[in-house]
Amino acid sequence: KNQVEQSPQSLIILEGKNCTLQCNYTVSPFSNLRWYKQDTGRGPVSLTIMTFSENTKSNGRYTATLDADTKQSSLHITASQLSDSASYICVVIPRAAGNKLTFGGGTRVLVKP
Amino acid sequence: DTGVSQDPRHKITKRGQNVTFRCDPISEHNRLYWYRQTLGQGPEFLTYFQNEAQLEKSRLLSDRFSAERPKGSFSTLEIQRTEQGDSAMYLCASSLGREDEKLFFGSGTQLSVL
Repeated sequence: KNQVEQSPQSLIILEGKNCTLQCNYTVSPFSNLRWYKQDTGRGPVSLTIMTFSENTKSNGRYTATLDADTKQSSLHITASQLSDSASYICVVIPRAAGNKLTFGGGTRVLVKP
Repeated sequence: DTGVSQDPRHKITKRGQNVTFRCDPISEHNRLYWYRQTLGQGPEFLTYFQNEAQLEKSRLLSDRFSAERPKGSFSTLEIQRTEQGDSAMYLCASSLGREDEKLFFGSGTQLSVL
């Protein structure tokens, strides 16, 4: 069973609207949880990194939250722009795993004008 | 451009041929990682280096795959006797080596095996 599950698999939103992506994980214990943005045909780019003791981390219009009790994380995109169209991947790093990342399948977001 | 660079960006080959990809990490980064990504999936870990030492290999890395980082700088990933199932995006990433820091990914090499 995949240790990181993301939902929804895909999402279409109108430009200017907000959206929230979900990540459920079973990796435990973990060192940190990350969200990456991946444009089509490009490598992933880091958006946020949260340790297990952090609840929220922002990067511009992107805000990630973490609930270690329920093993859930979310990524909220505010005032979406066309350039936000990409895959968003949740990554959970087990403790002592170094940077050997366990990637979720990602959520594909399409922002329409 | 001082990011992670990969070459080539695209590679089309016939089944049974050997292919080699190159990755140039960010210059001061001592850790280098290889990942494989198929369409609609997240990247899967293949192997990583600390300087020139290959510290871990995934079970995904069959004996047809070999990776090297001879001088602790650039790395190569070779696939021998390619199979259609090898078709994927091969991503390289690098980092300074601390556990909590972010990886910097290259744009990948897209391999198509016909």
